[in-house]
Amino acid sequence: AQKVTQAQTEISVVEKEDVTLDCVYETRDTTYYLFWYKQPPSGELVFLIRRNSFDEQNEISGRYSWNFQKSTSSFNFTITASQVVDSAVYFCALSGGSSNTGKLIFGQGTTLQVKP
Amino acid sequence: EPEVTQTPSHQVTQMGQEVILRCVPISNHLYFYWYRQILGQKVEFLVSFYNNEISEKSEIFDDQFSVERPDGSNFTLKIRSTKLEDSAMYFCASQDGYRRTDTQYFGPGTRLTVL
Repeated sequence: AQKVTQAQTEISVVEKEDVTLDCVYETRDTTYYLFWYKQPPSGELVFLIRRNSFDEQNEISGRYSWNFQKSTSSFNFTITASQVVDSAVYFCALSGGSSNTGKLIFGQGTTLQVKP
Repeated sequence: EPEVTQTPSHQVTQMGQEVILRCVPISNHLYFYWYRQILGQKVEFLVSFYNNEISEKSEIFDDQFSVERPDGSNFTLKIRSTKLEDSAMYFCASQDGYRRTDTQYFGPGTRLTVL
């Protein structure tokens, strides 16, 4: 069965600190996809990144970076120099498998609070 | 930029009543989904829909739920007889049909409150 675990329920940092959100996944599929979504207080789900299982290259997008390690089944997300606007719930999600319909399996989410 | 839209943003209903939640997916997308999020909890998959039929559904998606794509633009979720535990945020998502595992884009959600 597929599973995503975000062990950090809540994280609180002061603005300009770096913060890493952890994500550990379980799957028996050899081909799968990992995602991060942001849910700000307004409630919508905002897509941040998609990664496939064959591409372990780390990615950086502005203040955001992602570290994908298949050896530890982890897909961690780091925000550098955090800002108050980064305050949100962040979800890691998994989909995959040749017969999969594309449904996303979400982790429990990590609530990030960035204080000024 | 194209986006998924959902109406209404908030629906309040009495237990036992039928509700229809509406979604307009991104126009060239072929795969459609409904998810729900009970307050403070994770997002849970309900159903996926492709080529005018359900391709997968979760255990949550029982006989009280149905989905339909009545025309070329709308995608609806119907709950026949709502229960208190159906109170949640319902998200619609759509995905480019070129590759099934492409990114899903979510609508803003409909908050359903069952009294």
